[in-house]
Amino acid sequence: KAGVTQTPRYLIKTRGQQVTLSCSPISGHRSVSWYQQTPGQGLQFLFEYFSETQRNKGNFPGRFSGRQFSNSRSEMNVSTLELGDSALYLCASSLSPVGTAAKNIQYFGAGTRLSVL
Amino acid sequence: AQTVTQSQPEMSVQEAETVTLSCTYDTSESDYYLFWYKQPPSRQMILVIRQEAYKQQNATENRFSVNFQKAAKSFSLKISDSQLGDAAMYFCAYTEDKIIFGKGTRLHILP
Repeated sequence: KAGVTQTPRYLIKTRGQQVTLSCSPISGHRSVSWYQQTPGQGLQFLFEYFSETQRNKGNFPGRFSGRQFSNSRSEMNVSTLELGDSALYLCASSLSPVGTAAKNIQYFGAGTRLSVL
Repeated sequence: AQTVTQSQPEMSVQEAETVTLSCTYDTSESDYYLFWYKQPPSRQMILVIRQEAYKQQNATENRFSVNFQKAAKSFSLKISDSQLGDAAMYFCAYTEDKIIFGKGTRLHILP
């Protein structure tokens, strides 16, 4: 069974641009969560999607948005990029049959390294 | 707000020895889950072990075990017979409705 796939692996953008990251979950998993990892702030929860609906979100500005498609694939978008958005963005999927994804085992992708210049 | 604290930014252990990574958390909830995740240089987070708060028995997975002290809000990870492949960042995580991670402990294995 293929794992969680994130594309692209690396991305370089300039301030003010926007970016879209993609995540394909493990087959059969319906929940996708996104995390931002930086040396200063560590790992922070962005949002979680289940069955195309955002079910939970962290404390990030509205420039960070996401969506989930009917095949459970998810995209994350960041508009008007700032230097502080440089980070490793991790996606995780889980079965999440009941409750929220957090209590289910999450399987992570290798991440997308975003650099904002 | 819930918080997770890992007080050891870095640790080293001799190969084949035992090492314990510390984690404390703060919550007023009684029903939650705790996890230890490992992040090797490949960056992919891997679940090491999971503990349900309502279970008093400490979770064990092969060479990895936890010491869960609910009253003290402590959740340490013990790695026995350390191997070179155990070198990684280890994150403690608390979850009730969303996951909150600690800052991580970088573990070095000395040959």
